[in-house]
Amino acid sequence: DTAVSQTPKYLVTQMGNDKSIKCEQNLGHDTMYWYKQDSKKFLKIMFSYNNKELIINETVPNRFSPKSPDKAHLNLHINSLELGDSAVYFCASSQDRTSGSTDTQYFGPGTRLTVL
Amino acid sequence: KNQVEQSPQSLIILEGKNCTLQCNYTVSPFSNLRWYKQDTGRGPVSLTIMTFSENTKSNGRYTATLDADTKQSSLHITASQLSDSASYICVVSAKGNNRLAFGKGNQVVVIP
Repeated sequence: DTAVSQTPKYLVTQMGNDKSIKCEQNLGHDTMYWYKQDSKKFLKIMFSYNNKELIINETVPNRFSPKSPDKAHLNLHINSLELGDSAVYFCASSQDRTSGSTDTQYFGPGTRLTVL
Repeated sequence: KNQVEQSPQSLIILEGKNCTLQCNYTVSPFSNLRWYKQDTGRGPVSLTIMTFSENTKSNGRYTATLDADTKQSSLHITASQLSDSASYICVVSAKGNNRLAFGKGNQVVVIP
């Protein structure tokens, strides 16, 4: 199936640990994104990569580090996890890098991270 | 203050009835506005995308309108079904940058 996939779907971990979330898209898109959705369901963009190049980096703690080994993958590594990092993290992709385009963003199913 | 405000925050409607969700924005200069549907536990799915010159766009029972002068959009759901229960998110993008402004969503619950 053509889609945006994320692993794992659920992640429960202790404070202070380091964890990674993987994202892959087989849509042939050039641009990938990471979003955080908090308990109030508010989506916020964290990062955007176009052809492995970082193009958006919102005000996110430097404990969060995206890694794009190729344009089909954008992984999110989080160091020293904190309670406030608990949220659902969504990966997305689109063909065009500019939000001014009308290209649709396709979202993955999300990864629910719970920090204890 | 958020650049995209949606109302009502939540809404309960009977199956078969119509409803309208509102989105007001302050994003400028405007490029396009999108409505997404997010089912519980799933990622958002695009419903419509409208540019400045488009006043209305339909996707099945979903019809979005845009008034770029008043900076308002609405999403109308016709003959609601139980599967319409979801959060509907309004997203606005500005010209000249890669930023998207997200609303907090309208939570719709359709009851039989």
